[in-house]
Amino acid sequence: AQTIHQWPVAEIKAVGSPLSLGCTIKGKSSPNLYWYWQATGGTLQQLFYSITVGQVESVVQLNLSASRPKDDQFILSTEKLLLSHSGFYLCACSPGQGARDTLYFGAGTRLSVL
Amino acid sequence: GDQVEQSPSALSLHEGTSSALRCNFTTTTRSVQWFRQNSRGSLINLFYLASGTKENGRLKSAFDSKELYSTLHIRDAQLEDSGTYFCAAEAPTNTGKLTFGDGTVLTVKP
Repeated sequence: AQTIHQWPVAEIKAVGSPLSLGCTIKGKSSPNLYWYWQATGGTLQQLFYSITVGQVESVVQLNLSASRPKDDQFILSTEKLLLSHSGFYLCACSPGQGARDTLYFGAGTRLSVL
Repeated sequence: GDQVEQSPSALSLHEGTSSALRCNFTTTTRSVQWFRQNSRGSLINLFYLASGTKENGRLKSAFDSKELYSTLHIRDAQLEDSGTYFCAAEAPTNTGKLTFGDGTVLTVKP
């Protein structure tokens, strides 16, 4: 079974500062990878997904970007944080094509922007 | 989300009782997944359905793609069932997009 490691576990950052969140998948080659964002008490919103290395599709524009530099790595970043970026960021993977397979989530990163 | 209407928004059950959660879809949905999120934020996948029903222990889920709804039945509720339950609908086109419902906060009391 695959394991999903997200880092850091939590971040407190200042408005206008840069951000980089990481996600590494072990135990599955060529997975589909996703970034989700969840406001406190809210639902999950898909931000990006990637089917292969170097390819990332944006679902929602939130002044964030994502990259997939390796088959097992997915990075979420921005050069300037906004207050609205606060929340819970979850990396997820599915083993098959599109979203037709079960989705598995990492433990998440809690981000507070002050 | 707009595509997925989840109900109820909150539910309180006593141990040993049973209930059901429901998601209505406003557009064609290829498949549905159900998740439970604990207090630390961890999400566990409970079911993936492209059609029909699935059962796992005290949980049972059904998906009717024609009538555009899915249900999650919880039988003999236990304290550890507490958490927030989300359904997620897969878009009909192969875009990799899942739309989540707003969630149901389930509290199981002794």
